[in-house]
Amino acid sequence: DAGITQSPRHKVTETGTPVTLRCHQTENHRYMYWYRQDPGHGLRLIHYSYGVKDTDKGEVSDGYSVSRSKTEDFLLTLESATSSQTSVYFCAISEPRGWYNEQFFGPGTRLTVL
Amino acid sequence: DAKTTQPNSMESNEEEPVHLPCNHSTISGTDYIHWYRQLPSQGPEYVIHGLTSNVNNRMASLAIAEDRKSSTLILHRATLRDAAVYYCILIWRAQGGSEKLVFGKGTKLTVNP
Repeated sequence: DAGITQSPRHKVTETGTPVTLRCHQTENHRYMYWYRQDPGHGLRLIHYSYGVKDTDKGEVSDGYSVSRSKTEDFLLTLESATSSQTSVYFCAISEPRGWYNEQFFGPGTRLTVL
Repeated sequence: DAKTTQPNSMESNEEEPVHLPCNHSTISGTDYIHWYRQLPSQGPEYVIHGLTSNVNNRMASLAIAEDRKSSTLILHRATLRDAAVYYCILIWRAQGGSEKLVFGKGTKLTVNP
């Protein structure tokens, strides 16, 4: 499982509250990613990081911010949660496999915004 | 937007081969064809990938058309554990060596006992 954990695994919150999801990895991988998955859809990239303090936006970054102050932790923050952000959130790392990279995904965090 | 087209669903019987198609008519010369699958209530996992030649690994085989505009993931003997959503993804190397996966809706494979 490439040593990826996500916390919390489940969260219910109310509209307008801030929420922070944590992704933790133990194997010093450089690249980390946050995706969201909605019913009937594949995963969509929110933000990604290519090193400590180096982050960039994905295709659905509006309403989300990220931080990476340590190699092992990649935080996803919803500054003011909305019902449209109810989703399952997956963190991933990219592990070099010779001449290609393989992404490993965490177990997911199910977030419900009421 | 995803640059691949897959059937929404397919069905197979246990221990029979399964051929999962993927169309990617706008593929560029530097795009790799990757397949991931997502088991129920889990994150996706890597299955196989290729560039031009057919590929085999312990999980599956990947057959790539000569013009690279389509590919087929082959599960030689489907098991109940292979029931999942299979995603065909084109990956290019972004600056710095990272890659961004663009998932479509994938193909939901049902395996009947």
